[in-house]
Amino acid sequence: DAGVIQSPRHEVTEMGQEVTLRCKPISGHDYLFWYRQTMMRGLELLIYFNNNVPIDDSGMPEDRFSAKMPNASFSTLKIQPSEPRDSAVYFCASSPSGGALSYNEQFFGPGTRLTVL
Amino acid sequence: AQSVAQPEDQVNVAEGNPLTVKCTYSVSGNPYLFWYVQYPNRGLQFLLKYITGDNLVKGSYGFEAEFNKSQTSFHLKKPSALVSDSALYFCASTRSGNTGKLIFGQGTTLQVKP
Repeated sequence: DAGVIQSPRHEVTEMGQEVTLRCKPISGHDYLFWYRQTMMRGLELLIYFNNNVPIDDSGMPEDRFSAKMPNASFSTLKIQPSEPRDSAVYFCASSPSGGALSYNEQFFGPGTRLTVL
Repeated sequence: AQSVAQPEDQVNVAEGNPLTVKCTYSVSGNPYLFWYVQYPNRGLQFLLKYITGDNLVKGSYGFEAEFNKSQTSFHLKKPSALVSDSALYFCASTRSGNTGKLIFGQGTTLQVKP
């Protein structure tokens, strides 16, 4: 298995531009998570999906952020318009269900390093 | 509210010495506890977890962790540190009945010196 795949690995854009981050979860995993990591705030959960349905988006910082999961093998996180304070590493993770989900570990992708100038 | 605390930003140990990375939690109900490791420019990797049963949990790369309910702690340990163990370590928790939403600590940087 290739693991969780994220693209691009690095993204540099200018303030005001639209940014789209992509994620392919591990096949068969029912849960998908988007995280943001910064030095100041650490690791933050932005949103997560179960069977392609958003379950909890309380971590999405503002309306400029949106996430979709059109099918079981693909998800996007979009920022429009982007701002310098959005600069961070964005991780996607997936997890299998089966039994009580809460004790299944999450598998993280390599992350997308976003720089907004 | 559920929370996880890692009281040390950085832990320094000499290679071959035992290491401990501390974690305390605040969770209502039965906690499920995890340790993850992050190497530079990589995503987090799962090390071990406590769900129920034996308080001493063994995981990857020779790491283990001890669940202590009375002290609400879940410290990560290794008997003999390696330079290659140098990384950022995260403790995380959720609770039974939750839908998998993990709460992470702020992370502890482990530096193992030769």
